[in-house]
Amino acid sequence: DADVTQTPRNRITKTGKRIMLECSQTKGHDRMYWYRQDPGLGLRLIYYSFDVKDINKGEISDGYSVSRQAQAKFSLSLESAIPNQTALYFCATDSGDRPATGANVLTFGAGSRLTVL
Amino acid sequence: SQQGEEDPQALSIQEGENATMNCSYKTSINNLQWYRQNSGRGLVHLILIRSNEREKHSGRLRVTLDTSKKSSSLLITASRAADTASYFCATDPRGAQKLVFGQGTRLTINP
Repeated sequence: DADVTQTPRNRITKTGKRIMLECSQTKGHDRMYWYRQDPGLGLRLIYYSFDVKDINKGEISDGYSVSRQAQAKFSLSLESAIPNQTALYFCATDSGDRPATGANVLTFGAGSRLTVL
Repeated sequence: SQQGEEDPQALSIQEGENATMNCSYKTSINNLQWYRQNSGRGLVHLILIRSNEREKHSGRLRVTLDTSKKSSSLLITASRAADTASYFCATDPRGAQKLVFGQGTRLTINP
């Protein structure tokens, strides 16, 4: 099984529908992230969580919400999907082992491709 | 806004040639990382260079970091068709506790 699993892998939906993308990880990491990728724009951070009780907005959080149900699970919701939310969404984790390594090396899921019609 | 700016946006070379990609950034960093993404797939970590390092090697990869110019380069030597992918730099800015990604370089290796 993959270290970071995203479901669904592909989803087509209509404007106004509520959509949830789910992410689960087996790495035992505390930190989890949701990114959005659009062609030519790289990855942009939507939300991130450093533990179960911690939720933080990223640079493009408007129109999205998240839930950290457990250390291993971090879900992203679009309450009322719109066409410009059509994108490839990635979940990622890192150990947050900053004091030891000074680094945030991310492990990514395979992505969830969302199309909003 | 993106911390990293990558150059070129796209690069096409013949198999066996070397490929060089550049990344510039704006703020002080703890480290800089390079990731690879095969088409439509998740990103995979390639190599990390810390702010007090100037050069690092991993197999056919060589990364340099010039903190005075706030820039890094990724060199892939003796390229192979399987190296075809997008490559992203990501900076770990001081005090930010999260990576910021560049826009990526799309590398095509022609057989």
